[in-house]
Amino acid sequence: DQQVKQNSPSLSVQEGRISILNCDYTNSMFDYFLWYKKYPAEGPTFLISISSIKDKNEDGRFTVFLNKSAKHLSLHIVPSQPGDSAVYFCAASATAGSYQLTFGKGTKLSVIP
Amino acid sequence: KAGVTQTPRYLIKTRGQQVTLSCSPISGHRSVSWYQQTPGQGLQFLFEYFSETQRNKGNFPGRFSGRQFSNSRSEMNVSTLELGDSALYLCASSLAGTPQETQYFGPGTRLLVL
Repeated sequence: DQQVKQNSPSLSVQEGRISILNCDYTNSMFDYFLWYKKYPAEGPTFLISISSIKDKNEDGRFTVFLNKSAKHLSLHIVPSQPGDSAVYFCAASATAGSYQLTFGKGTKLSVIP
Repeated sequence: KAGVTQTPRYLIKTRGQQVTLSCSPISGHRSVSWYQQTPGQGLQFLFEYFSETQRNKGNFPGRFSGRQFSNSRSEMNVSTLELGDSALYLCASSLAGTPQETQYFGPGTRLLVL
C-alpha cells in the first residue's frame, strides 16, 4: 500500500516555463513533507520542505504548496532551467511515532532548451 | 565539510552470497538511515540507527541487517542474496534523526546480484 504517490512518472517542460510536480499522500499522520532532487549516479539532494502548519513555502525558484484537506502537495519551479532536469522525489514523515521518510516513486523532469 | 560517503560504489555478487556495505555520515551526525531504491519502487526505508541503536526498521526480511559504530559509521549486511536484491542502496545522515531534520544522502552503492 503506497502511502506517498507521484502519479506522473515523467514530465517535459520548455525552458523558462513553469514545472509543476504533484504528490498525493494517504497517511493522515504525515505532517512534514520534503522534495528531493536526484541526478543519475548521485544520491538525492534536499530541495525544499513544508510543515503541515503551513500551506506554502518558497525558496527562490522553488515553491511547495500543501493542501491538507486533499492530502496533496505540489512543487512549482519557475522559471524552469535545463539544469533542473532530474528525478524529483516527494517524501513525508510523521512527527509522532518512529522517524522515517516515506518516499514516492519519483517524477523524471526534463526541461527542454 | 565532507558529505556522506559510501563504499563500495559498485558491487557484483551471485545468489546466495552475502554482502556488507559501508556508510560514513557527515561529521557530527549521529543518525544514519538506509534506503533501497529499485526501478519503479522509489526509495524504501530499511532501518535507522542512532547512537549505535536501531530505532526504526522498515518492512524488509531478516536477511537485511545493520549496525552502527561508536563513531557513527554504519554498515548494512544482506545475507543469502537474491536476484531481487539488485538495487541502489542509499544511506543518509542527520544530526539527531528528528522528523523535521533534513537528511543528507550519500551517492549510493549499486549492487548487482547475478
